[in-house]
Amino acid sequence: GESVGLHLPTLSVQEGDNSIINCAYSNSASDYFIWYKQESGKGPQFIIDIRSNMDKRQGQRVTVLLNKTVKHLSLQIAATQPGDSAVYFCAENMLGTGNQFYFGTGTSLTVIP
Amino acid sequence: DAGVTQSPTHLIKTRGQHVTLRCSPISGHKSVSWYQQVLGQGPQFIFQYYEKEERGRGNFPDRFSARQFPNYSSELNVNALLLGDSALYLCASSPRGGANYGYTFGSGTRLTVV
Repeated sequence: GESVGLHLPTLSVQEGDNSIINCAYSNSASDYFIWYKQESGKGPQFIIDIRSNMDKRQGQRVTVLLNKTVKHLSLQIAATQPGDSAVYFCAENMLGTGNQFYFGTGTSLTVIP
Repeated sequence: DAGVTQSPTHLIKTRGQHVTLRCSPISGHKSVSWYQQVLGQGPQFIFQYYEKEERGRGNFPDRFSARQFPNYSSELNVNALLLGDSALYLCASSPRGGANYGYTFGSGTRLTVV
């Protein structure tokens, strides 16, 4: 069945360092992935997405890597800032299932000033 | 531009009661999805509606139901509330029914069942 999990529940980094958040997914039929950031009391906020026909996608200070062979996803945040402190989720979607996304438990990122 | 709006923001109900949560999608968005997020966990899919029709249902009991109105707003109804229904209920909207079209979440309704 579908499951999305994260390797580390918590991550602390120094301000200015790069952060890497990992995610494993189990459904090889998943073909679209989104990383979300969720701050306390707010809904998930879209960060970056990637389709299964790509292995890398870059945004502003963020990069998502997809390794379909081992069903692994990672989010890299460059020059991490205090405002990046939040819980990060990866979510997977299978073609034909509309807007049904399966979320992992999340990684709590704390940026130390 | 207004984002996805949900009401109420917080709600306290007693076990056995019924609750209705409301969601207004971004203007022009025709699809609404509902998720339940229990504290410390990721959101779990409940329903998707597109053009007023149910397009997907997650693994939730029949106590959970939803509908979408002609103006594309949506309601989530939960009957016979249990303590375990306490959660943040999130609504997400998108222009169309597919996943890769501007999928945006609201801030949620925090439901506490006592």
